[in-house]
Amino acid sequence: DAGITQSPRYKITETGRQVTLMCHQTWSHSYMFWYRQDLGHGLRLIYYSAAADITDKGEVPDGYVVSRSKTENFPLTLESATRSQTSVYFCASSESKASGSRGEETQYFGPGTRLLVL
Amino acid sequence: DQQVKQNSPSLSVQEGRISILNCDYTNSMFDYFLWYKKYPAEGPTFLISISSIKDKNEDGRFTVFLNKSAKHLSLHIVPSQPGDSAVYFCAALHNDMRFGAGTRLTVKP
Repeated sequence: DAGITQSPRYKITETGRQVTLMCHQTWSHSYMFWYRQDLGHGLRLIYYSAAADITDKGEVPDGYVVSRSKTENFPLTLESATRSQTSVYFCASSESKASGSRGEETQYFGPGTRLLVL
Repeated sequence: DQQVKQNSPSLSVQEGRISILNCDYTNSMFDYFLWYKKYPAEGPTFLISISSIKDKNEDGRFTVFLNKSAKHLSLHIVPSQPGDSAVYFCAALHNDMRFGAGTRLTVKP
């Protein structure tokens, strides 16, 4: 199916375990993003990628690792999960990095992955 | 440091009336503002946006107003419909996108 998908949709893991969240988009968008959504904080940017093999930190990168070997995939790995990483994670993509100076731009979001770390 | 704030966590309005959702920001470097709508168990979807060089943008029942001097923007929905019930996120961007905490809108039939 065309669009942006995330897997798994729900995940329960234990403190200290490694877990990888997958994101796949079919639009060939250059930019991909990972956000986490927490009550009272809205969405906060974890990492983003401008193209294959190019990634950069966002607002809350600690404890997370990303890679982008292919344009269409942008996995997010929690190397040693902590309870504070319990959250809903959203992947997004866009044709270019959101910048108002370049004109109208928007990001397209996946359905989210709900992660519980026990 | 929350640069984008939505101070009302929830709003309830009657069908057919106007819904006004508010958003304040602190960073004067933001040059573009967006509203996203989110239904349960789905990702946010883009609703409407406005450039900092404008003070109003209208799209059907949705209008966004920007007051740069007050660092305030608002989303007006008129008339409100039950299908508008969702969480609305305000977002502002300069180098990257910053989101507010969201306002849950409930439109009662």
